Amino acid sequence: DPKIIQKPKYLVAVTGSEKILICEQYLGHNAMYWYRQSAKKPLEFMFSYSYQKLMDNQTASSRFQPQSSKKNHLDLQITALKPDDSATYFCASSQDQGGSDYTFGSGTRLLVI
Amino acid sequence: QQQVRQSPQSLTVWEGETAILNCSYEDSTFDYFPWYHQFPGESPALLIAIRPVSNKKEDGRFTIFFNKREKKFSLHIADSQPGDSATYFCAASAQTGGYKVVFGSGTRLLVSP
Repeated sequence: DPKIIQKPKYLVAVTGSEKILICEQYLGHNAMYWYRQSAKKPLEFMFSYSYQKLMDNQTASSRFQPQSSKKNHLDLQITALKPDDSATYFCASSQDQGGSDYTFGSGTRLLVI
Repeated sequence: QQQVRQSPQSLTVWEGETAILNCSYEDSTFDYFPWYHQFPGESPALLIAIRPVSNKKEDGRFTIFFNKREKKFSLHIADSQPGDSATYFCAASAQTGGYKVVFGSGTRLLVSP
């Protein structure tokens, strides 16, 4: 059974639209993250959450908003989508922040046309 | 500066040879150094990790060599197999301060039979 569930697996969106990427982890971890991977920037850190609190935000644009409704849940809302947002978005989790091993979800491949 | 530099960008070795992947960092607060590998179409997965209390960590054919003074670490893959062909990411994080894991840019390894 997958330990980190990301939905959807593939997503095609129109420029200017809004989408939500879902992430749930069943590892009992306390920290969750979002990373973005594209040809231009492999594994680029976006956000980190610990005990449902935002710990670090390296995303310059406010169009990207993480949402944590439960400890094991960290969704990513993206508004006003642009073609440059096309990438694979990985959710990850770890027992705690710093010095803990990450487990990655299978990713959501987003294509903005 | 929170950055991890990785080289080479791509590497081709023959089956049976030792592949050597290199990384360096500048932030002295980093105290945990994992390596992840990623097969095409899959998510990154932890391969092996080291803490600077030791300068070498082995796990089967995979060995990390760590040089704290020079702030460099490398992954040696002995007796490389075609199944080792993947992208390898070095990374660094700190236990204190809630730092995120910072990833290198990746090395695409191809093992030719």
